Amino acid sequence: KNEVEQSPQNLTAQEGEFITINCSYSVGISALHWLQQHPGGGIVSLFMLSSGKKKHGRLIATINIQEKHSSLHITASHPRDSAVYICAVRAPYGGATNKLIFGTGTLLAVQP
Amino acid sequence: NAGVTQTPKFRVLKTGQSMTLLCAQDMNHEYMYWYRQDPGMGLRLIHYSVGEGTTAKGEVPDGYNVSRLKKQNFLLGLESAAPSQTSVYFCASSYGKGPYNEQFFGPGTRLTVL
Repeated sequence: KNEVEQSPQNLTAQEGEFITINCSYSVGISALHWLQQHPGGGIVSLFMLSSGKKKHGRLIATINIQEKHSSLHITASHPRDSAVYICAVRAPYGGATNKLIFGTGTLLAVQP
Repeated sequence: NAGVTQTPKFRVLKTGQSMTLLCAQDMNHEYMYWYRQDPGMGLRLIHYSVGEGTTAKGEVPDGYNVSRLKKQNFLLGLESAAPSQTSVYFCASSYGKGPYNEQFFGPGTRLTVL
């Protein structure tokens, strides 16, 4: 079983819909990251969080440490949101590296 | 600032050939990483470096070597390429190792080994 599981693996939505992508993890963490990867493109960091909720524009990320679960929400989705969204968790303090454990990603397609 | 750049963007090799992938960053970051991305799998760490002159193994180091002779550059070498090394390779860098240190990724190198 992967240490970081994302659901769904694939998601198709209509423009304007509210989207939720889920991430569950089985290890202790010091922080959780959400990243975005556009087709054929590089990877950019969207959020880093260890508690509560963060918002940036139409994107909202939440985390529940007790339940080991995080969600990424997109409000008023747009075709330009089409991308792979990747959840990654960081090992707790004391590690020798800035090691991230990555989920396999959720492929989102927003249709006009 | 260019951020993190990777050279080349695409490469096709024959089994047994060697090559070096170059990663460069202009953000004065201490930490640098090489990952590979394969279909159906999350990014996996190949090797990393915590500073100039240092390297360490990640999850999947076999068949790869790395060097960090200059702080801004991190090289990934394949001495004898195998079809199993067909993948997309990403380099990343970060300022430090704390949990909120963002990793900045390069655009990726798509490598095919025939």
